[in-house]
Amino acid sequence: DGGITQSPKYLFRKEGQNVTLSCEQNLNHDAMYWYRQDPGQGLRLIYYSQIVNDFQKGDIAEGYSVSREKKESFPLTVTSAQKNPTAFYLCASSLAGFNNEQFFGPGTRLTVL
Amino acid sequence: DQQVKQNSPSLSVQEGRISILNCDYTNSMFDYFLWYKKYPAEGPTFLISISSIKDKNEDGRFTVFLNKSAKHLSLHIVPSQPGDSAVYFCAATQNNAGNMLTFGGGTRLMVKP
Repeated sequence: DGGITQSPKYLFRKEGQNVTLSCEQNLNHDAMYWYRQDPGQGLRLIYYSQIVNDFQKGDIAEGYSVSREKKESFPLTVTSAQKNPTAFYLCASSLAGFNNEQFFGPGTRLTVL
Repeated sequence: DQQVKQNSPSLSVQEGRISILNCDYTNSMFDYFLWYKKYPAEGPTFLISISSIKDKNEDGRFTVFLNKSAKHLSLHIVPSQPGDSAVYFCAATQNNAGNMLTFGGGTRLMVKP
C-alpha cells in the first residue's frame, strides 16, 4: 500500500522543548511539504522540499527546521523558538513539476503544555 | 494578505439537493485550482481540479466551475449525500511556482439526512 505516514498521531510537549514530527512516504515522490492548520483556518506552508538535500522556507518557517536526507523522509522539528506551536501538522508529497496533486498524511496534533 | 478566500465558513444542505461551495482569489497568476475534502483529525484528500484553460471540469457528482474574469471558482455537488459532510478547501497554484499550493480557509459542509 502506497501512502504517507505521520507519527505520532498526538504529541504533547512541555514549553521550551524541541520536538520532531516524522513524515515518511513510499510513493516515490520527489517533493514533500509541511503545513500547519489552526482551528477554523486553512493550511499554511511551513517548509517544502523538491529534491533530496534541498528545502525552502514557506510562509511561516520561523521556529521550525527540517531535513531531507532521504527521498522518503522529511522530518519537521518544532523548536522552542516557535511562539504558538500548538496546532495540527500535516505532511504532504507530490510528483515534481507543475500542477501535480499533493497527497496528505493523516496529521499530527501537537499540544504544548 | 489572503490570496485565496472562502467567504462562507459553513454551509448546510439537505440530502439530495445541490451544494455550492465558493472560492475567490486575487492573484491573477494562478492558473491551476484544486479542491480538497477534509474530515476531522485526518489529512485532506484531493477531490477535483481545473486548469485555467477550462471553465468547467466534471467528475461524477462533483463539478468545478472557473470564472477567470471574476477570479472565482465554485464546487457543485449534486446530489449531496450525508457522507459529503466535511471541510472543503480550495487551493491555487501558478505555473512558475512549482507545485506550491495556496489554500483558502475552508468551508464546513453539513448535509442533513
